[in-house]
Amino acid sequence: DTGVSQNPRHKITKRGQNVTFRCDPISEHNRLYWYRQTLGQGPEFLTYFQNEAQLEKSRLLSDRFSAERPKGSFSTLEIQRTEQGDSAMYLCASSFDRTPFEQYFGPGTRLTVT
Amino acid sequence: AQKITQTQPGMFVQEKEAVTLDCTYDTSDQSYGLFWYKQPSSGEMIFLIYQGSYDEQNATEGRYSLNFQKARKSANLVISASQLGDSAMYFCAMREVSGYSTLTFGKGTMLLVSP
Repeated sequence: DTGVSQNPRHKITKRGQNVTFRCDPISEHNRLYWYRQTLGQGPEFLTYFQNEAQLEKSRLLSDRFSAERPKGSFSTLEIQRTEQGDSAMYLCASSFDRTPFEQYFGPGTRLTVT
Repeated sequence: AQKITQTQPGMFVQEKEAVTLDCTYDTSDQSYGLFWYKQPSSGEMIFLIYQGSYDEQNATEGRYSLNFQKARKSANLVISASQLGDSAMYFCAMREVSGYSTLTFGKGTMLLVSP
C-alpha cells in the first residue's frame, strides 16, 4: 500500500466554477477526514466519515461544500460556485478504528481560484 | 480562545544541535491526545509523535521526544541532533475525546537547520 492518495494535486479554476477532489485512503482504514489549510495556518477540520457515514461536519463547511464516501472506500469533496476564499490546500487523512489517533495524511490538493 | 498555541513562527538551529519547539494547549477534557506533525515543502503531513493525557512517561520516537507538562498544559517537541532534512513546518495538534478523533492544529513553527 502506498498510503493516502489525492487527486488532482493541483487545481486552478475560475471563480464560480465547480471543482471535485478525490481521496483514496489506506485500504484497511475505515475513518476518513477532510481538512483545509490556508497559507500560514495549520489544517482546519472540515468533515469526518466512518465507513460511508458522514458523522461530523465543521461550520467551515458551507452549503457550497459537499463530501461523499459512497462505498466506504474513496471519498470526494465537491465545491460548487467557487470563491477566491476557497483557495487553499485540501488535505485528506485516514485512520483505523483500533488506532484512531494515528491519522495518515495524503499529499493534498492545492486549489487556486482566480 | 485558541486551543493550540505555537508561539514561535520560526526557529533556526545548526546541524547536530538539539532544538525545542513550543506548544501549549487548552482543553477541559480529562482525556485527550497531543500530536506533532512535520510538513515539508511537498505539503504532506508526516506524523512524528503522540502523547496521551494519561501517559505518565514522555513519548519518544527516535530523535523526537515530547516534553509533556500536564499542569502547565504544554507539549513541547524536542528534536535531538538536528539534520538538514528536518527543515520543515512543524505542527502541534490535539485530539479531544469529544471530537470523533478530529485534530485541532496550531499555526505551526518553521524550523530551518543550517550546516
